[in-house]
Amino acid sequence: NAGVMQNPRHLVRRRGQEARLRCSPVKGHSHVYWYRQLPEEGLKFMVYLQKENIIDESGMPKERFSAEFPKEGPSILRIQQVVRGDSAAYFCASSPSITGDETQYFGPGTRLLVL
Amino acid sequence: QKEVEQNSGPLSVPEGAIASLNCTYSDRVSQSFFWYRQYSGKSPELIMSIYSNGDKEDGRFTAQLNKASQYVSLLIRDSQPSDSATYLCAVRGTSYGKLTFGQGTILTVHP
Repeated sequence: NAGVMQNPRHLVRRRGQEARLRCSPVKGHSHVYWYRQLPEEGLKFMVYLQKENIIDESGMPKERFSAEFPKEGPSILRIQQVVRGDSAAYFCASSPSITGDETQYFGPGTRLLVL
Repeated sequence: QKEVEQNSGPLSVPEGAIASLNCTYSDRVSQSFFWYRQYSGKSPELIMSIYSNGDKEDGRFTAQLNKASQYVSLLIRDSQPSDSATYLCAVRGTSYGKLTFGQGTILTVHP
């Protein structure tokens, strides 16, 4: 079974550009989470989505950041007008739909570098 | 007060010793507790999950949970150099909810 897939693995953007990060959950998982890890810091929750719904976006910056998990296709984390402070590793995790196994399995991450 | 706090590191133990990693959390309604291992430049990898008070063992790893004290720990027996990594404690309040992570403890196992 393929695990959580993220692409690109590395992304370089100049200030003011847009970054689009993609996450394909484990097949059969319907819960997707995005986390950000700033250099030398811990993992911070950003947003929790199910198909076509944002369940919890309490960790998402109010401006420039958005996320979606459409009925078909991967989840997308979009960062508009990137700034240097957005440079970080962005991890996606997914959970199964079956109650009793709510473990979050992490993808390899996308390392975003803003020049 | 941080929501999830881990013992300050780095922690260095000799090969074959027991490594003890500790974590406290502030939200009393937390239900689920996890230990992840993260190698440098890699993604977090689940080691253990624990939901009930007491001990849970899996190979060389033992997780301990005390909800009254709001404390969770991870013991690694017979530590190996390959165990050298950052260990992340994570807490979840509600089913399928977000994970709140501690800042991590860097463990180094030296031969």
